Amino acid sequence: GQSLEQPSEVTAVEGAIVQINCTYQTSGFYGLSWYQQHDGGAPTFLSYNALDGLEETGRFSSFLSRSDSYGYLLLQELQMKDSASYFCAVSGGYQKVTFGTGTKLQVIP
Amino acid sequence: DAGITQSPRHKVTETGTPVTLRCHQTENHRYMYWYRQDPGHGLRLIHYSYGVKDTDKGEVSDGYSVSRSKTEDFLLTLESATSSQTSVYFCAIRPPGPSSEQYFGPGTRLTVT
Repeated sequence: GQSLEQPSEVTAVEGAIVQINCTYQTSGFYGLSWYQQHDGGAPTFLSYNALDGLEETGRFSSFLSRSDSYGYLLLQELQMKDSASYFCAVSGGYQKVTFGTGTKLQVIP
Repeated sequence: DAGITQSPRHKVTETGTPVTLRCHQTENHRYMYWYRQDPGHGLRLIHYSYGVKDTDKGEVSDGYSVSRSKTEDFLLTLESATSSQTSVYFCAIRPPGPSSEQYFGPGTRLTVT
């Protein structure tokens, strides 16, 4: 089976940097993804890491360490609109993706 | 935005009644998924499809069935709705390739009274 752990809530100040961690246990691993979901909305894809290291997309970066079964999402220059829930997800193959329970990020002025 | 829609967007139904939710895509993707989202549980996979008439169970499939007779449509049926199936249901599609990138529909809020 697959399981993921991430903090349930994080609070950060506008303009700051925040890191959301994700640890996983899986019987088969292809990659780690991150999704953003605003209240009342649908999840939207942010990033995907299949190999160790850091992937950068604008203000967002995602890191993966396969040996540690660990990854994180880094949000820089936080904006109020970044307040949302963030989900990590592991892909164990072409079919199934297992999601974590989500981290609710609150950005405060 | 990926072309994926869900209908209905909101539904209230009574315990014991059958309910069918529809997911429609215009992207011609092979993989389609049904998830439910409940507070504290994140997104949980109900069923998925890897082609026309090819479907498989996810982690919370009890009480649900699916059908896919056309590439563009993936139907989720609750044969006899229960209050525990009150949830927000999301459909998703997945482009070809190794990435787990999925595009989600707007969701259906289902209330079973």
